[in-house]
Order: sequence, then C-alpha cells, then structure tokens
Amino acid sequence: EDKVVQSPLSLVVHEGDTVTLNCSYEVTNFRSLLWYKQEKKAPTFLFMLTSSGIEKKSGRLSSILDKKELFSILNITATQTGDSAVYLCAVEQGGSEKLVFGKGTKLTVNP
Amino acid sequence: GAVVSQHPSWVICKSGTSVKIECRSLDFQATTMFWYRQFPKQSLMLMATSNEGSKATYEQGVEKDKFLINHASLTLSTLTVTSAHPEDSSFYICRPGQGRETQYFGPGTRLLVL
Repeated sequence: EDKVVQSPLSLVVHEGDTVTLNCSYEVTNFRSLLWYKQEKKAPTFLFMLTSSGIEKKSGRLSSILDKKELFSILNITATQTGDSAVYLCAVEQGGSEKLVFGKGTKLTVNP
Repeated sequence: GAVVSQHPSWVICKSGTSVKIECRSLDFQATTMFWYRQFPKQSLMLMATSNEGSKATYEQGVEKDKFLINHASLTLSTLTVTSAHPEDSSFYICRPGQGRETQYFGPGTRLLVL
C-alpha cells in the first residue's frame, strides 16, 4: 500500500529556532515529492523535488530529497510566527499524477 | 504558477439540498481535475479524478451517485454534492492536472450542512 509518513506530527518552537521536518515514503511509480504549507485555507505550494541530493531553497526554507533512502526533509531557519502552519508532504505518482499525502506536521512558532 | 479558481468559497445549506462547486483553470487547459476533501485536523483525501469529456474515476469508498462530477470543458469542472447531510460538511479542494504543472490547488470551498 502506498504511504507517506511525516514526523513529527506536531512541533512547538520559539521564534528564531531552526526546525527540520521529515517525510518518508513508500509509493509505487514515484515521480516527484512536493511540500506544501497549509494555514486556514488551501495548501500553498513550496517545493517540488525530483532528483536526489539537489537542495531547493526559497528564503529561509530549504528542502532536499534522498531517493535511495526514500525520504525528504524540509528545513526552516530563523523561524517566525508567520511560519506557524501545517506542512504537508505529498508524493506524485507517475502516469496518474495522483498525490499521496502524509498526515502533516503542525508547526507552532511562539514569539 | 497555474491560476485556479473555485466558487463558491464557502456555502451553508440545509440538509437534503444539493450544492454545486465549480473549479476553473484560468490560464491553461486542464484535461484532468482532482477533487479532494479535507475534514478538520486531517490531511487531504482524494475523492475522484475527472477527465474532460469522459466519466470520472472515484476512489474507494466515495459514492459516485452522491458526488456528481462533470468536466464538460477544458477549463471547468464541477462537483455536486447531492442531498447533502451534516457529515458532508468539509473543505473541498480541486487540483488541475496539466502535464508537469500539477502542483497547484484551487482556493477551496468550505461546505457547512445544517
């Protein structure tokens, strides 16, 4: 059965801390891995990863994929209260374009 | 990125009524549309996949007669929740499929059935 597992399920940090969110997967016909940020609305796209070892970066956020070990991490440095959200990891299956989602990591950044 | 709109953004209806949700791709043609449902504090669950001009494919456990999907054009897909009940209250989100650009979601529709 295809599955995506995220850890931790929730995380509480103070502003300025650095956090690492984890995503492991077992999905048939892997095409890409995607990270989303979800506040009280639809998920907002962050990164799409297709190749191992190539870091993608956007401001204080970065992500990398390991296709051999079947996992990805999302790093957020110098966290701010505005980073508080649920971060979703999803794996896209080739051919169908379906996304298999993890349960998400709820990040709370306290001032 | 792809621009996707949904209408309405939220709706409140009485139990037993039907509600239609529209998803439009504004700057591209979407041959495929994925419809998701998200209950509070849960992740997104794929309900069905629609393809322009053909019947939708429903995920296991989703009643096709209750959740009617129409994808009559390359820019519009609709989801109709028929005879809605309180347990259908949820956040419904669409995601167009268009080759490699499949990562963007619509803004979602919050449905509350009283």
